Amino acid sequence: TQLLEQSPQFLSIQEGENLTVYCNSSSVFSSLQWYRQEPGEGPVLLVTVVTGGEVKKLKRLTFQFGDARKDSSLHITAAQPGDTGLYLCAGGFSGGSNYKLTFGKGTLLTVNP
Amino acid sequence: EAGVVQSPRYKIIEKKQPVAFWCNPISGHNTLYWYLQNLGQGPELLIRYENEEAVDDSQLPKDRFSAERLKGVDSTLKIQPAELGDSAVYLCASSLGTGVPYEQYFGPGTRLTVT
Repeated sequence: TQLLEQSPQFLSIQEGENLTVYCNSSSVFSSLQWYRQEPGEGPVLLVTVVTGGEVKKLKRLTFQFGDARKDSSLHITAAQPGDTGLYLCAGGFSGGSNYKLTFGKGTLLTVNP
Repeated sequence: EAGVVQSPRYKIIEKKQPVAFWCNPISGHNTLYWYLQNLGQGPELLIRYENEEAVDDSQLPKDRFSAERLKGVDSTLKIQPAELGDSAVYLCASSLGTGVPYEQYFGPGTRLTVT
């Protein structure tokens, strides 16, 4: 079983602050995805990274995939109340047609105005 | 374009009762997933369909859970009988195919409470 550990589990910050959340595993992933989930809704895909060392930016969000493809980070610059939500990382394992996503427990982010 | 539709959104039942959840995926999406999300946890895959075929049901507790996807479109997930530990959010997702680069689109989920 491939386990993904996310940290911190909870994060409460003020508007304008920067933050980083982490996703770590002892397993190597073929891909790593980050999702954001709001209360009462399903997760929404933010980004997919597939190459070790890859960095992707989405406005104020920066995603990095570790060189060994075992870990990832999400950095948010100048957080806004609209960034509030549950951030989930999900590791992808590719076995032919048996590609499967394993989700971490998530980081619950609250950005206070 | 409509997203993944799930119903009901909320369901409260007594233990030992049966319950069923319905999912209508995005039009044209051949792959359909059912996930279980417990409070404070990430989603866990229960079953994946490619068209009408269940290609991965290794995590589905088959003693009480069953699923079907007749005609390869809509899907139903059933629990019979429900137990207290089944209280959770049941998410349905769909995608054009399996793996990267096929994005999974999630529905809003059905929140089940078993009393």
